[in-house]
Amino acid sequence: EPEVTQTPSHQVTQMGQEVILRCVPISNHLYFYWYRQILGQKVEFLVSFYNNEISEKSEIFDDQFSVERPDGSNFTLKIRSTKLEDSAMYFCATSGGFFNEQFFGPGTRLTVL
Amino acid sequence: AQSVTQLDSQVPVFEEAPVELRCNYSSSVSVYLFWYVQYPNQGLQLLLKYLSGSTLVKGINGFEAEFNKSQTSFHLRKPSVHISDTAEYFCAVTLNYGGATNKLIFGTGTLLAVQP
Repeated sequence: EPEVTQTPSHQVTQMGQEVILRCVPISNHLYFYWYRQILGQKVEFLVSFYNNEISEKSEIFDDQFSVERPDGSNFTLKIRSTKLEDSAMYFCATSGGFFNEQFFGPGTRLTVL
Repeated sequence: AQSVTQLDSQVPVFEEAPVELRCNYSSSVSVYLFWYVQYPNQGLQLLLKYLSGSTLVKGINGFEAEFNKSQTSFHLRKPSVHISDTAEYFCAVTLNYGGATNKLIFGTGTLLAVQP
C-alpha cells in the first residue's frame, strides 16, 4: 500500500539554526500539506501546495517558513531560523484531489534547544 | 472562526464494551467532517468521513459516526472495542464553500485506552 514517508523521524537543533524537513508524497498525488502539533495541543494547518506554488497558508506560516518541491518528488519544509516555540511534531500530508482524502506521514519530531 | 471541540481528552473502556467519542464543531458555513486515528509512532489515518447524504457514516475497523446538524456534532461510536483500538482519535472539519479551502481543522484529540 502506498504511503507518505518523512525524514528525519527526529531532529534536534539549536535555536537560530536552519532545518529542512523532508516528505516523499504518494506518487500520483498533486496536493501537499504541512501540519504541526505542539506537544499537548491540537494539530494545526501550516500550508498547502499545489502546482508548484502555495495555495493557502496559516498565520503561523511566516517569513521564517518556506516550502518547495525541488526535484519533483520530495516536498520540503524549511525553517530558516528556528525558535524554541517551533518545537513540535510536523506532519506532511498529500492527496490526489482537492477534496480527496489527505494521507499523512508518520511525522518528524523537531526539538529546538 | 471555525473550531472543533473534543471534550474528552481520555476515554478508558474495557475490552468488548461499547464506546462513544464526542466531537462538536462550530462553523458559519457548511463543513465536511472527518475522524482520524493515530496509533503510536504512526501518522494519522482516515477512519471515516461525512461529505453529504446519509448522516450515518460507516468507516474502517467497525467504527461509525453520525452527523447531527442541529447539534453540530459528529460523534464516533463502536459497539465493541478491542485492545488494538487503543490510539488517539482526532475529529476534523474542512469548510465547504465553493472549494476555496481544503485545510483540515482538528480537535485536540481523544485517547481511547482499552483495558483487558
